[in-house]
Amino acid sequence: NAGVTQTPKFQVLKTGQSMTLQCAQDMNHEYMSWYRQDPGMGLRLIHYSVGAGITDQGEVPNGYNVSRSTTEDFPLRLLSAAPSQTSVYFCASSYSIDSPLHFGNGTRLTVT
Amino acid sequence: QQQVKQSPQSLIVQKGGISIINCAYENTAFDYFPWYQQFPGKGPALLIAIRPDVSEKKEGRFTISFNKSAKQFSLHIMDSQPGDSATYFCAARPSSGNFGNEKLTFGTGTRLTIIP
Repeated sequence: NAGVTQTPKFQVLKTGQSMTLQCAQDMNHEYMSWYRQDPGMGLRLIHYSVGAGITDQGEVPNGYNVSRSTTEDFPLRLLSAAPSQTSVYFCASSYSIDSPLHFGNGTRLTVT
Repeated sequence: QQQVKQSPQSLIVQKGGISIINCAYENTAFDYFPWYQQFPGKGPALLIAIRPDVSEKKEGRFTISFNKSAKQFSLHIMDSQPGDSATYFCAARPSSGNFGNEKLTFGTGTRLTIIP
């Protein structure tokens, strides 16, 4: 099993550009989520999904969209990138909403 | 609003020593307290977790101590090794009712360096 796979590993965007961060898991996990990690701020939840077709907002959802059309995939879309979105983004999944989280290896995004 | 406060921000310990990282929480509804370990360039990975029905949980060299009345919990790494050098995050969430990982609140992290 590959676990949680995130692509790309690194990305540089200009302000105003859009892009999609990909996340896929092969563990048949129902719960998937996106976090951003910033120095001195820990991990903050952006969006989460409890199953295909169901998504909800986390602590810091502004500027990001998600969809969950399949159990395996949970892409994160930046609609119009801003320098404040420079961060490391982690996708995480769990078998159920209260099972241990499994994290991907992250995408480092820089917005200039 | 920081619901889980973690200290210290960074910690240097000599090989063979004891590393101690502390966390305090405010929300009395929290009843599940995991610790995550993160190596550079990798995602966090669950290290050990505790629920408040016990005051201590040990797994190998890693021990969580929990003080419910003080609303504090800590990670102790005994006989610290250079391979333990990583960033450690405490976290907390309620586990009753319909709540789960969407309520998981992380501390700000501690960068641990074990020197030979």
